[in-house]
Amino acid sequence: DTEVTQTPKHLVMGMTNKKSLKCEQHMGHRAMYWYKQKAKKPPELMFVYSYEKLSINESVPSRFSPECPNSSLLNLHLHALQPEDSALYLCASSHSKEGRYTGELFFGEGSRLTVL
Amino acid sequence: QKEVEQDPGPLSVPEGAIVSLNCTYSNSAFQYFMWYRQYSRKGPELLMYTYSSGNKEDGRFTAQVDKSSKYISLFIRDSQPSDSATYLCAMSAYNAGNMLTFGGGTRLMVKP
Repeated sequence: DTEVTQTPKHLVMGMTNKKSLKCEQHMGHRAMYWYKQKAKKPPELMFVYSYEKLSINESVPSRFSPECPNSSLLNLHLHALQPEDSALYLCASSHSKEGRYTGELFFGEGSRLTVL
Repeated sequence: QKEVEQDPGPLSVPEGAIVSLNCTYSNSAFQYFMWYRQYSRKGPELLMYTYSSGNKEDGRFTAQVDKSSKYISLFIRDSQPSDSATYLCAMSAYNAGNMLTFGGGTRLMVKP
């Protein structure tokens, strides 16, 4: 199983809504990531979890709140978003080799978010 | 100047052509070099991974890394319409392997 599964595939929400994006992998990877991707742009790193602990937060606004309940699951809680937050949100995971992470990330299909 | 530069294209080639995609970079600390393929409205898919310098071949795909020139390439032989996608180069440093710096992506169109 080499899949990273993201739900929902599409989400439309208002600026006052609270919603969550979910990500799951069963490859035994110990690092999980959230990326944001706008049209015709490369992915931008938001958060990294390593061994279920938040290791990197790329100065993301607090209206995005990540959570890693266990080594297979990653959530992104959304609250009071702005229209400019509309984007494709990508989850990824990676394994470590001899204690080091390489750049071999496995991405999910993404959750396309529209904020009205 | 961006840390990783990649021509955005679009690059249009006939089916069967050899495609050359390239990236240049400025950070000499980069040791891991990746190519990702992204189809429209899908997530990126890891295509090729290279550690440090050298060549790597996988089927119709060959990745080359020239660290002295800070230049990486992806060659696609016998290109197919199914290769039409955006190709993203990405790289990271040895002690921060999971902190990828992406190029802007090159859109490739292979015409039948």
